[in-house]
Amino acid sequence: DAMVIQNPRYQVTQFGKPVTLSCSQTLNHNVMYWYQQKSSQAPKLLFHYYDKDFNNEADTPDNFQSRRPNTSFCFLDIRSPGLGDAAMYLCATSTPLEEGAPGETQYFGPGTRLLVL
Amino acid sequence: AQTVTQSQPEMSVQEAETVTLSCTYDTSESDYYLFWYKQPPSRQMILVIRQEAYKQQNATENRFSVNFQKAAKSFSLKISDSQLGDAAMYFCAYPNGGSQGNLIFGKGTKLSVKP
Repeated sequence: DAMVIQNPRYQVTQFGKPVTLSCSQTLNHNVMYWYQQKSSQAPKLLFHYYDKDFNNEADTPDNFQSRRPNTSFCFLDIRSPGLGDAAMYLCATSTPLEEGAPGETQYFGPGTRLLVL
Repeated sequence: AQTVTQSQPEMSVQEAETVTLSCTYDTSESDYYLFWYKQPPSRQMILVIRQEAYKQQNATENRFSVNFQKAAKSFSLKISDSQLGDAAMYFCAYPNGGSQGNLIFGKGTKLSVKP
């Protein structure tokens, strides 16, 4: 089945130690998103790629970076994780009906839960 | 600023009964989509139903239906014949017209289903 895969499902890191979360998709979607979801809160968009075009949200901290080497893969790098970065990180994909069209359905991965010690 | 409001942090329903979750939103766009997503505990977020704003007819997916009132900017979700597996966090979402596919989520409604 076509899907969005996130690895690992659980990640433990130390305060200040860089960590990378990965996402892959078999849906061949143009757009890939990274969301941060803290406990009992709604997901908050960090950034997204439309093909290779990177779009950062204005309030995303510089500590968060992303790479998309090809259509299938996208990575979230947290350069110096702080205790406040502990959260669930959700990857999602979508394909727009046409350029400039309102948002299409997003398909989510299972998420990676990050714990910072 | 575009916002999505879910006024019910928690709801409870008896198995086999019907429950309605409310959502209101604010936008200046005329053409857009609206979504309801379900997030079960420790499981991934999945799409429940979506509505295209230019369509008059309310969307329906099996036991799930919406009451879309465009003028009132209201988008409620009705779950009929509730099942134990419906217990989850439900998020209403609206794509920000200024950014391709950027979803703005409401704060969510936690639905419990009593046997």
